[in-house]
Amino acid sequence: QKEVEQDPGPLSVPEGAIVSLNCTYSNSAFQYFMWYRQYSRKGPELLMYTYSSGNKEDGRFTAQVDKSSKYISLFIRDSQPSDSATYLCAMSERHGQNFVFGPGTRLSVLP
Amino acid sequence: SAVISQKPSRDICQRGTSLTIQCQVDSQVTMMFWYRQQPGQSLTLIATANQGSEATYESGFVIDKFPISRPNLTFSTLTVSNMSPEDSSIYLCSVEGVPGLTNTGELFFGEGSRLTVL
Repeated sequence: QKEVEQDPGPLSVPEGAIVSLNCTYSNSAFQYFMWYRQYSRKGPELLMYTYSSGNKEDGRFTAQVDKSSKYISLFIRDSQPSDSATYLCAMSERHGQNFVFGPGTRLSVLP
Repeated sequence: SAVISQKPSRDICQRGTSLTIQCQVDSQVTMMFWYRQQPGQSLTLIATANQGSEATYESGFVIDKFPISRPNLTFSTLTVSNMSPEDSSIYLCSVEGVPGLTNTGELFFGEGSRLTVL
């Protein structure tokens, strides 16, 4: 079993839809969770950074962490074609160290 | 966030040659990291580069194949030595933290260097 699993997609949704992206993990010691967006031929861009369980909202993006289920989610409301990208989850046990990445989910938002 | 510039952005190389990738950050950072992103796969950490000390390599990566320099707090290089087609990948430089705020735990990336080895 991989340490971090993520459905690779591609996931296609119509513009305006609510998108749910998910990662599962096996290491219960992970405490720090991140979501990155990566456009084609670009480096990953940090979207959300959360610590431990709970929700965090930033504009159209909401990150959710359920440590009891070892499951994290990123919700995108009112999705736009500009949201079309690969979304990577990442997590670590210690602050700023030893990040483990998921393989990414490719999202296409169709106009 | 820090502005991270990588050169070259892409290159096509011949088997057996070596290529050095440069990473320049617009602010002083303690820790710099080098990642590899192979097609359809996760980002994999190659090594951590701290200024003034030898780089720390992850399992599966060795200094002879991926020598790293870190001459100051804003610059690092990664060399991919004696390249083979299996080294075709995106190589990413990253830093931890936000300028002016140390140890935030957030990881920021450069644009990446896309290498194709023939």
